[in-house]
Amino acid sequence: SQTIHQWPATLVQPVGSPLSLECTVEGTSNPNLYWYRQAAGRGLQLLFYSVGIGQISSEVPQNLSASRPQDRQFILSSKKLLLSDSGFYLCAWSGLQADQPQHFGDGTRLSIL
Amino acid sequence: SQQGEEDPQALSIQEGENATMNCSYKTSINNLQWYRQNSGRGLVHLILIRSNEREKHSGRLRVTLDTSKKSSSLLITASRAADTASYFCAPSMDSNYQLIWGAGTKLIIKP
Repeated sequence: SQTIHQWPATLVQPVGSPLSLECTVEGTSNPNLYWYRQAAGRGLQLLFYSVGIGQISSEVPQNLSASRPQDRQFILSSKKLLLSDSGFYLCAWSGLQADQPQHFGDGTRLSIL
Repeated sequence: SQQGEEDPQALSIQEGENATMNCSYKTSINNLQWYRQNSGRGLVHLILIRSNEREKHSGRLRVTLDTSKKSSSLLITASRAADTASYFCAPSMDSNYQLIWGAGTKLIIKP
């Protein structure tokens, strides 16, 4: 069966520090991969999605970036975090076909001090 | 902009009662999906209904879709304490299959 791992579960970082969140998927090949951010009590905002290795689409211009160095690995990064980057970050995967559901990791709670 | 809107924002009912949540959207869709999120956790996919379907069932869940009114509803029958969670509808846009997320309905089941 397919599983998705996302870590760390919680992270506290100072303003201006770098960020690296990692997500890996097991049990499937060529998944579509997604990074979302969720503000408290709100819905999900799509940040990045990827349909293949090295292929990244950005939905919202910001100081975050994403990379997909391997088929089942998706990384969210920042060189310098802002206070506004605080939130709940979720990674998800879906099958290649367009009408497939998305499967989510357990998320990373990021607090910027 | 977020185009999926759930209604109500919060719902509190007694265990055993039925819970109905509604969703409206603005764009043409390929399908509409419902997800559940327990506090502080990731989202779990519940059900997907395609634009040419009007009703779908899965266990205690019943989803309807009215594309002429651009609305959907999720009914949970015989609710249980474990159903306490936030529920999100996510219309999938016809143009690019991206999911559009609303703020969700927070459901509380009182024992």
